Amino acid sequence: EAQVTQNPRYLITVTGKKLTVTCSQNMNHEYMSWYRQDPGLGLRQIYYSMNVEVTDKGDVPEGYKVSRKEKRNFPLILESPSPNQTSLYFCASSPDRRSNQPQHFGDGTRLSIL
Amino acid sequence: GQQVMQIPQYQHVQEGEDFTTYCNSSTTLSNIQWYKQRPGGHPVFLIQLVKSGEVKKQKRLTFQFGEAKKNSSLHITATQTTDVGTYFCAGRTLQGGSEKLVFGKGTKLTVNP
Repeated sequence: EAQVTQNPRYLITVTGKKLTVTCSQNMNHEYMSWYRQDPGLGLRQIYYSMNVEVTDKGDVPEGYKVSRKEKRNFPLILESPSPNQTSLYFCASSPDRRSNQPQHFGDGTRLSIL
Repeated sequence: GQQVMQIPQYQHVQEGEDFTTYCNSSTTLSNIQWYKQRPGGHPVFLIQLVKSGEVKKQKRLTFQFGEAKKNSSLHITATQTTDVGTYFCAGRTLQGGSEKLVFGKGTKLTVNP
C-alpha cells in the first residue's frame, strides 16, 4: 500500500532533549516536506527536499533540522526542543517538484514539549 | 511572503444546507489544490484546478478557479455529516525563482444532524 509513515505518532518530552521524528515513503517520490499545524494558523512548511541531498528552508525553519540521505526517508530533528514547538507535525511527499502533483500526507505526529 | 487567504475560518451548518469556502491570493497562481482533513486525520488531496475559469465537480462538491487565477471556491451542496472536517486550499506560486505551495488556514466545517 502506498503510504507515508511517520514515527512516533505521539511524543511528550521535555525542553532541551533532542528528538527525531522519522518519515518514510514507499512511493519513490522525489519531493518531501515537513509541515506543522497549529490552531488558527493552518499548515506551515518547515523544510522541504526536492531530491536526495537537496534540502531547503520553508516558512518556519527555526529550531529544526532535516536530512535527506536516502530518497525514501526525510527525518525531522529538533536539536533542543522548546515549548513553542509543541504542535502537530505532518510529513508529505509528492512524485516530483513539478507543480501539478498532489501532496500525500502521513498520519501526523503530535509533539508536546514541556 | 505570499499568502493565500481562506474564509470563513469556521462554518456550522444544518445537515442539508449548502456550504462554501473561498480562497484568495494577491498574486496569480499556477494552480490550486484542495484538501480535506477529517477530525483527527491528515489532509487528503481532493482535486487540482489549473485553467483560468475552470470548474470541476465531484458528486456534491463543486470547485471553481477564478478567471484571473487569483481566487477559488469549494461549494458543497446539501451537506451531510460525512462532510465534517477542515477544508484547505493550497495555491502554487513562484517565489524567489522557485515554485511554492502555500496553504490557506483552512475552513472548519461542522454539520448538525
